[in-house]
Amino acid sequence: EVQLVESGGGLVKPGGSLRLSCAASGFTFTTYSMNWVRQAPGKGLEWISSITSSTYIYYADSVKGRFTISRDNAGNSLYLQMNSLRADDTAVYYCARDAYGDHFFDSWGQGTLVTVSS
Amino acid sequence: EIVLTQSPGTLSLSPGERATLSCRASQSVNGDYLAWYQQKAGQAPRLLIYGASSRATGIPDRFSGSGSGTDFTLTISRLEPEDCAVYYCQQYGNSRTFGQGTKVEIK
Repeated sequence: EVQLVESGGGLVKPGGSLRLSCAASGFTFTTYSMNWVRQAPGKGLEWISSITSSTYIYYADSVKGRFTISRDNAGNSLYLQMNSLRADDTAVYYCARDAYGDHFFDSWGQGTLVTVSS
Repeated sequence: EIVLTQSPGTLSLSPGERATLSCRASQSVNGDYLAWYQQKAGQAPRLLIYGASSRATGIPDRFSGSGSGTDFTLTISRLEPEDCAVYYCQQYGNSRTFGQGTKVEIK
């Protein structure tokens, strides 16, 4: 069974940093592209970043230059380093797996809440 | 960026009724790379449909997707109480963007 478990969320001040983690199990992690998708309170879904199995990386304009996605294939983990955080980064952050060879999301974690507030 | 506009914003129907949800793209979606997700309150999204019309594993056949180009539809043929959720479309033919969602309420 595919499992994605996020951790690392919490309360952080504007301008601060936070690192999110996603522990993956139940599938061959190295062969899948992985993503971060966020959802602000009461709002819709926003894709923010992807990393392929070959470590090609993509970002949404809203986070480019501030967030860094990475992966540890040996440890079956996905990460999101978030710097220069702003109030509008407040959201639940989901780890999501791309379907094999495709770009829709076939598995999701339960999410971790990031709150940016002074 | 391809903008997806979903309508209606909220749909309120009785059990057994048919629900029709629309997703319109600002430009043609390459390869009909359009997915639908269901998100129940307090839960992560769940994949329903991909490739505009293919049901994901384990999804009941009362859910169906159709459309191409710029106009796509998710149909729930006979609503059940557990279908109460927000439904999102997502295009993945040119980067990835989501629609703003349609809330389905069961009377």
